[in-house]
Amino acid sequence: DTAVSQTPKYLVTQMGNDKSIKCEQNLGHDTMYWYKQDSKKFLKIMFSYNNKELIINETVPNRFSPKSPDKAHLNLHINSLELGDSAVYFCASSQGWGVETQYFGPGTRLLVL
Amino acid sequence: DAKTTQPTSMDCAEGRAANLPCNHSTISGNEYVYWYRQIHSQGPQYIIHGLKNNETNEMASLIITEDRKSSTLILPHATLRDTAVYYCIVRVPETGANNLFFGTGTRLTVIP
Repeated sequence: DTAVSQTPKYLVTQMGNDKSIKCEQNLGHDTMYWYKQDSKKFLKIMFSYNNKELIINETVPNRFSPKSPDKAHLNLHINSLELGDSAVYFCASSQGWGVETQYFGPGTRLLVL
Repeated sequence: DAKTTQPTSMDCAEGRAANLPCNHSTISGNEYVYWYRQIHSQGPQYIIHGLKNNETNEMASLIITEDRKSSTLILPHATLRDTAVYYCIVRVPETGANNLFFGTGTRLTVIP
């Protein structure tokens, strides 16, 4: 069974559209994360979410918003997509805040045309 | 901002030990050293972490110098599947977000 799963794996869309990426973890973890990996392969954290507490990287535009329907899911909504949003987005989870081991999903490759 | 320095790339012969260095000269006393790797087109994978003692698990060994300003990740018998980008990260556990910073890493190529 996949520990952290993301859907879709690939997403191609037009500028200005609104899209969502889903993430689910079956590890029973309390904390989930979203990372963005750009074309230069830098992997940067976007959000951390733990028991309804959200920590946002201040560099993330407010067009991006995480939504957590329950502890096992943290979805990423993106409004008014821009060309610069093209990247690979990774979801991750860990047992708690700052716990050493984060488990990453396979990534969602977003291409904005 | 990255607090670590790693070589951009390294090669290793299959079956040999791969030794990946990392400099973290500004590491503070409560910061741990973590290693992750990212195999092509996959999400990062946790390898090992340590504070000041050497650590070993089923994947690798971590050697941290006595002054803690540098460390080495050792893959004892590298296989082709170990070809990946390896990230050395320093951070304080049990704190919030924004402190798991992946720099440029070292691209390890295991050669048959």
